Amino acid sequence: GESVGLHLPTLSVQEGDNSIINCAYSNSASDYFIWYKQESGKGPQFIIDIRSNMDKRQGQRVTVLLNKTVKHLSLQIAATQPGDSAVYFCADPSGAGSYQLTFGKGTKLSVIP
Amino acid sequence: DTGVSQDPRHKITKRGQNVTFRCDPISEHNRLYWYRQTLGQGPEFLTYFQNEAQLEKSRLLSDRFSAERPKGSFSTLEIQRTEQGDSAMYLCASSLAFGAQNTGELFFGEGSRLTVL
Repeated sequence: GESVGLHLPTLSVQEGDNSIINCAYSNSASDYFIWYKQESGKGPQFIIDIRSNMDKRQGQRVTVLLNKTVKHLSLQIAATQPGDSAVYFCADPSGAGSYQLTFGKGTKLSVIP
Repeated sequence: DTGVSQDPRHKITKRGQNVTFRCDPISEHNRLYWYRQTLGQGPEFLTYFQNEAQLEKSRLLSDRFSAERPKGSFSTLEIQRTEQGDSAMYLCASSLAFGAQNTGELFFGEGSRLTVL
């Protein structure tokens, strides 16, 4: 079965507000997680990754938080823009060294102008 | 533009026919992946190549599916005797292997959408 899953299938956010997308995982041995963004009609696009030796990692307007105690990670998007409207997936590698990624079902983020 | 190109973008076929998809990865990438994505779901891993060697295959890849990467550059995914359940988006991705510093950054193409009637 899936080792990662997202909490909510849809999320609507007002433009300019912050967005938080959550993801839970079940495998305690998972040590690396990736967030992908998929816009309509396009392939997934890498956003940010985090390894288990970190609690937080920041990118441009995005922050990923990892809580290993409760096996939860979140993607925070600051000052959400219309271009952020997409489906967001968390993923983790299924095979050591091969990056056979297991994706969750995704959360669809809709930005209200 | 990610640099990964897939052809055709759309394919409609009748059940029982064979179809072939082509993927041209980013030229310096030695890893190539095929994923399948159905509506409302995340991508599901099918297979992966490092150079011309097919190193992993998912149990989703039944014997009707075959993938090749003959010269370690482009790849083809063939589905024989298509079934309606094969209708999906077939995504190709490529990446570099960084040894111990592997990242999960795969560069995906825009996919080939298959509809089996």
